[in-house]
Amino acid sequence: EVQLLESGGGLVQPGGSLRLSCAASGFTFSSYAMSWVRQAPGKGLEWVSTISVSAATTYYADSVKGRFTISRDDSKNTLYVQMNRLRAEDTAVYYCAKQEFDTTGFYSYFDYWGQGTLVTVSS
Amino acid sequence: ESVLTQSPGTLSLSPGERATLSCRASQSVSSSYLAWYQQKPGQAPRLLIYGASSRATGIPDRFSGSGSGTDFTLTISRLEPEDFAVYYCQQFGSSQWTFGQGTKVEIK
Repeated sequence: EVQLLESGGGLVQPGGSLRLSCAASGFTFSSYAMSWVRQAPGKGLEWVSTISVSAATTYYADSVKGRFTISRDDSKNTLYVQMNRLRAEDTAVYYCAKQEFDTTGFYSYFDYWGQGTLVTVSS
Repeated sequence: ESVLTQSPGTLSLSPGERATLSCRASQSVSSSYLAWYQQKPGQAPRLLIYGASSRATGIPDRFSGSGSGTDFTLTISRLEPEDFAVYYCQQFGSSQWTFGQGTKVEIK
């Protein structure tokens, strides 16, 4: 059974930093791209960042580019996101999501999601 | 970057009725890159449909997806009580993943 367990959320002041972790199990973590997707309170889903297999390629939403860094440790089956220079608009539940390969061989969709961790940016 | 617009914003239906949800892209989207998700309050999203029309593992056949180019549809043939939720479409393009704003299917 695929399991994704996020941790590291909490209250942080504007301008501060936070690192989220996602512990994965139930699949060969190193063989899949992984992502972070967030959801502000009462709002829709917003893709944040994706990391490919072997961390060969990383992708970022414009809203977080230059402030967030995604990484992975395949030896620990864990996904991370380092979030710096946090703003109030970064307040959201952050979901870790596993990506699956589509018929073209690209990892275009998210087939499993964690339960999320809440990040609140406020003074 | 393609923007996804979902309609209607809210759909009020009774159990047993048919639900038709629309997702329109501002630029043409490869069908391989279009997915649908269901989200219930306090829960993580769940994958329903990928590749525009393929059901994910364990998804009942009352859920179906169709469409191509810029117009995609999620159909729930007969609403069950557990289907009342928010539904999102999602696409990949230009090294970005984007979601529609969601359609809420509520009990009439």
